Amino acid sequence: DTEVTQTPKHLVMGMTNKKSLKCEQHMGHRAMYWYKQKAKKPPELMFVYSYEKLSINESVPSRFSPECPNSSLLNLHLHALQPEDSALYLCASILRSDREYGYTFGSGTRLTVV
Amino acid sequence: GESVGLHLPTLSVQEGDNSIINCAYSNSASDYFIWYKQESGKGPQFIIDIRSNMDKRQGQRVTVLLNKTVKHLSLQIAATQPGDSAVYFCAVRTGSSNTGKLIFGQGTTLQVKP
Repeated sequence: DTEVTQTPKHLVMGMTNKKSLKCEQHMGHRAMYWYKQKAKKPPELMFVYSYEKLSINESVPSRFSPECPNSSLLNLHLHALQPEDSALYLCASILRSDREYGYTFGSGTRLTVV
Repeated sequence: GESVGLHLPTLSVQEGDNSIINCAYSNSASDYFIWYKQESGKGPQFIIDIRSNMDKRQGQRVTVLLNKTVKHLSLQIAATQPGDSAVYFCAVRTGSSNTGKLIFGQGTTLQVKP
């Protein structure tokens, strides 16, 4: 299995809702990432997990809460989002954060906040 | 920090011609570079990478050139095909060996005319 799988593919949520995005990989990768991508813009780094520990938080608002329950799974919990948080949320992984084998990206979750 | 820029937001080429997409980076300590292709509605797809101890690497129809002196990176696509139409991002790894922060450039949209 050489894929990063993200679910759901599309999500529409209200500003008072709580939802979660899920990312899964079974390549034995030990570093996982969340990126946010607005239309016609490059992906922007949000969080980095290395060996299931949060190693980077790029000053992301607390309404985004990451979680790494195990080495294969990465979640992004969403609460009280704003319409400007609507974007494509991408998950990526690499074997380890100090060894590059081409960061593998999932197809993303298209999030719309209404 | 690192900033990554692309020279041209859009590149239009004739089918069969060669394409060259350029990228500049700011941090001379950057040690790993990746080119990604992103099609509409999909996540970034790995094309080719290069480490800072190399100046050229070739794949199938693609070549990446790295000039560390001027901090410049380019992607060459030979015999461009309609299926190559997409947005192309360069990405640069920056930070310590344990952070693996990958920073993206702005993206160049490649349009292939039949």
